[in-house]
Amino acid sequence: QSALTQPASVSASPGQSITISCTGSGSDVGGYNHVSWYQQEPGKAPKLLLFEVSNRPSGVSHRFSGSKSGNTASLTISGLQGGDEADYYCSSYTITDTPYVFGTGTKVTVL
Amino acid sequence: QVQLVESGGRVVQPGGSLRLSCAASGFTFSSFAMHWVRQPPGKGLEWVAVITNTGNNQYYADSVKGRFTISRDNSKNTLFLEMNSLRTDDTALFYCARSAYAGYQIDYWGQGTLVTVSS
Repeated sequence: QSALTQPASVSASPGQSITISCTGSGSDVGGYNHVSWYQQEPGKAPKLLLFEVSNRPSGVSHRFSGSKSGNTASLTISGLQGGDEADYYCSSYTITDTPYVFGTGTKVTVL
Repeated sequence: QVQLVESGGRVVQPGGSLRLSCAASGFTFSSFAMHWVRQPPGKGLEWVAVITNTGNNQYYADSVKGRFTISRDNSKNTLFLEMNSLRTDDTALFYCARSAYAGYQIDYWGQGTLVTVSS
């Protein structure tokens, strides 16, 4: 099972919005809504941001939103803040015998 | 609150073996599936293995299948990862993580334990 494809880096100025894509196949992202997103700040463990494509756990800002179209899921961060600088990973359930896969990761830089 | 504390990471030679442990607290351990996820230094996350809440079923990444074994002791609230035939590309920070009760997402992560495979 290959990793889901994400852009290596995305950057924008404070206040702007960015969107991070996560591309897989019909065996994972395209076939199921079991897509999650994680934020990993430098030196820290990942933190769950979104699950089931677009659901936010309690305590996660409404500035983080998710969607999916075909084999590509997307994470949008609106009103970008300095504290959003981190690595972001998508994950999906897969129908293969390795039931979980992460994306390649995207480094977000706030200019 | 939910706590996951990994231990057992150290420097080991290629071909060697190692057993990682994860002590869980703050929740009913026997009700949740558990994962191991690893992260090589400076690189991305890689899912390693998952075990169901009862321990009856385990699933592995292709890269570790046949070499790693995930297990759990629900009486001691502890998750394990037995690693054999270690290779240099197994060098990584290994995270213990909890699967959400209803869903496929990981909702809690430990802080990780570092495994270094080097001669």
